[in-house]
Amino acid sequence: GQQVMQIPQYQHVQEGEDFTTYCNSSTTLSNIQWYKQRPGGHPVFLIQLVKSGEVKKQKRLTFQFGEAKKNSSLHITATQTTDVGTYFCALPEGNEKLTFGTGTRLTIIP
Amino acid sequence: EADIYQTPRYLVIGTGKKITLECSQTMGHDKMYWYQQDPGMELHLIHYSYGVNSTEKGDLSSESTVSRIRTEHFPLTLESARPSHTSQYLCASSRRASGRNEQFFGPGTRLTVL
Repeated sequence: GQQVMQIPQYQHVQEGEDFTTYCNSSTTLSNIQWYKQRPGGHPVFLIQLVKSGEVKKQKRLTFQFGEAKKNSSLHITATQTTDVGTYFCALPEGNEKLTFGTGTRLTIIP
Repeated sequence: EADIYQTPRYLVIGTGKKITLECSQTMGHDKMYWYQQDPGMELHLIHYSYGVNSTEKGDLSSESTVSRIRTEHFPLTLESARPSHTSQYLCASSRRASGRNEQFFGPGTRLTVL
């Protein structure tokens, strides 16, 4: 399967600073999903983006799907300690599988 | 909260032992998955199933096997565990439908092979 790169691999921010992770695909996507995994936990679904250029917000989280549907970003405004974890994008393979990105691990400096 | 369960949560065993990791879901989902994940790393799909009596190998070569005799149950078996199998194993399920098809994950089994 394809490898899906996310950048950066790690991000350390002061509490209150913003954070962004990017997910890039070499192919045009039908949709993209984002998951969050807390330390010691399991991935939890955050959102699915379907439309070209789509922007969705969940409180301090903003998700964007690129115009060409080949990339996506997750932006967190004014990070809090509860945002700590690894954020994964996930790309569909056909109708049955997902390929998860390499993940971005976010740590917060209080 | 998703209703997907994995047992055991933690397992420490010796090399050569046969083990079965259990995964059950009560959501009636047709699709189920097994992932292997080392700490802080990406998820690697090792097996998946479209439904009863359907199993497929994933992208990561694995010495494990799976079965899907009932919709709700998707156990993973290692015939002879080795230290290289030490990892976290995550089970997930999703609906078989077009549109939104997010995966729901179990809490995982942390396996250590000595």
